[in-house]
Amino acid sequence: GAVVSQHPSWVICKSGTSVKIECRSLDFQATTMFWYRQFPKQSLMLMATSNEGSKATYEQGVEKDKFLINHASLTLSTLTVTSAHPEDSSFYICSATDRGAYEQYFGPGTRLTVT
Amino acid sequence: RKEVEQDPGPFNVPEGATVAFNCTYSNSASQSFFWYRQDCRKEPKLLMSVYSSGNEDGRFTAQLNRASQYISLLIRDSKLSDSATYLCVVTQYSSASKIIFGSGTRLSIRP
Repeated sequence: GAVVSQHPSWVICKSGTSVKIECRSLDFQATTMFWYRQFPKQSLMLMATSNEGSKATYEQGVEKDKFLINHASLTLSTLTVTSAHPEDSSFYICSATDRGAYEQYFGPGTRLTVT
Repeated sequence: RKEVEQDPGPFNVPEGATVAFNCTYSNSASQSFFWYRQDCRKEPKLLMSVYSSGNEDGRFTAQLNRASQYISLLIRDSKLSDSATYLCVVTQYSSASKIIFGSGTRLSIRP
């Protein structure tokens, strides 16, 4: 149980374009989803916490207008990287918690390369 | 000082050895603790939750010491497949939930 999927798993885009990443909980209802970014050989960095039906809470230093998060249902959250730049190239990972639980279950990640 | 600190390693140990990692946290209000493992270029996977009473799952034992504010992970009879980065995660539930990942400890098991 507790499977989280992400789509796409890998994307290359041109500088200035926008990219949408989907995160889905497949077999449970995720009241809270988290979005992380991980640069090579570095730890995960929490970008934002997303609760179903409400606005996401962004971590300090993360631009909410650049990283748009929508958590419209209990099984889907999306992250849109707007006006992507090469420095946005990273591994983006989402996670979700089941209702009432503390453990996070991670999606397989999306590797974004901006050229 | 970082809120969650881990020895980055790498720990390079022979197959069959016992290896232990510690993770210290600075906020005494921390409430939930976990160990995750992350393989290269993959997502983290939950290894085990950590309770005050300690918990064991096969070759893995996790302990929590609230007085000294650290958690530990012990791996016995290490296997080649244990090679990975081990992340400790500390969660605080006050006015807003806060989840903090350690930077990870790299473990390499050699034949």
